[in-house]
Formats: sequence, C-alpha cells, structure tokens
Amino acid sequence: EAQVTQNPRYLITVTGKKLTVTCSQNMNHEYMSWYRQDPGLGLRQIYYSMNVEVTDKGDVPEGYKVSRKEKRNFPLILESPSPNQTSLYFCASSLLTAGTIYEQYFGPGTRLTVT
Amino acid sequence: DAKTTQPTSMDCAEGRAANLPCNHSTISGNEYVYWYRQIHSQGPQYIIHGLKNNETNEMASLIITEDRKSSTLILPHATLRDTAVYYCIVRARTSYGKLTFGQGTILTVHP
Repeated sequence: EAQVTQNPRYLITVTGKKLTVTCSQNMNHEYMSWYRQDPGLGLRQIYYSMNVEVTDKGDVPEGYKVSRKEKRNFPLILESPSPNQTSLYFCASSLLTAGTIYEQYFGPGTRLTVT
Repeated sequence: DAKTTQPTSMDCAEGRAANLPCNHSTISGNEYVYWYRQIHSQGPQYIIHGLKNNETNEMASLIITEDRKSSTLILPHATLRDTAVYYCIVRARTSYGKLTFGQGTILTVHP
C-alpha cells in the first residue's frame, strides 16, 4: 500500500531533550516536506526537500533540522525542544513532474508535547 | 500565492451533492486551484486540482469559472465519511510545493 509513515505518533518530552521524528514513504517520491499545524495558525511549512541531499527552509525552520540521505526517509530533528514546539506535525511527499509538485500525500501526523 | 475565501461551514444531507465554493479573485495565470480535506486531526488528503478546465476524478469534480476568480468543489453523493474541513488552495507551479491552508470550510454531512 502506498503510504507515508511517521513515528512516533504521539510523544511527550521535556525541554532540551533531543528528539527525532521519522518520516518514510514507499512511493519513490522525490519531494518531501514537514509541516506543523497549530490552532488558529493553520499548516506551516518547516522544511522541504526536492531530492536526496537537497533540502531548504520553509516558513518556520527555527529550532528544527532535517536530513535527506535516502530518497524514502526525511527525519525531523529537534536538537533542543522547547514548549513552543508543542504541535501536530505532518510529513508529506510528492512526485516531481517536470519540476512541478502536484498531489501531496500526507502522513498520519505526530502529536508532540514539550513540557 | 493568491488568497482564497471560503464559507466557514456548510451542511449537506447524506446522498446529496455537496457544493463547496471558493473565491480566489486575485488568482494569476500560472496558479492552480487545489482542494484538500482534513478529517479530525488526520493528515490532509488531496482531492483534486485544476488550472482552467473543469476536472473530475473518482472523488470529486472541480468547476472553475471562465475568469478563474472562483471555483466549486462538488462531492456528487456525500456520505457521513465526507464530514471534514475542506481547504481551497491557490498555488503557483514554482512555490516549491508549499501548501498554505486557510480556515477552510467545515462540511457536516447529516444522515
């Protein structure tokens, strides 16, 4: 089944404790992206990647890191989480068709709470 | 990317067509209209997209007016599982895939 998986689905952690949220897709998609969703603020892009070893900042990259060493994986790293990073996180992937991204497939989400 | 305006909420009876409008009066020539939906706090789900012509797929139809300033998403036979927040997004080809979700329309399908 074509899908985007994220782990963990739920995480409660403390301020400053490094964590990684994994994202994996099995559709051979070039494009992958991370979003966070907060009440009243909608969906905001954190980082995106157009292909292996090609990543760039989205609208809210501060406090996050990403890497794209393999096509299927795009982990989101929080080196020193803070309470303002408490949010619902989504990973998405898409084919690049003639340099254009059309349909994006989203993962199920990771609900992160930082205390 | 152009701004979109959608009604806050709509109701629909199960089995009837749901017609969700979207206004995007400042859309420019290279911008596509996309529709996504989100059920509860699940991951958003792509529905359909179009540039100028009307589009149809297994989920829905997208009707874009000739001047491209508005569009309508049609779910032909709404079911209870179609209850969700529906987002209309206008995005240029060169926006590196970024999706900016507005408030969307809360569609409630009633038995």
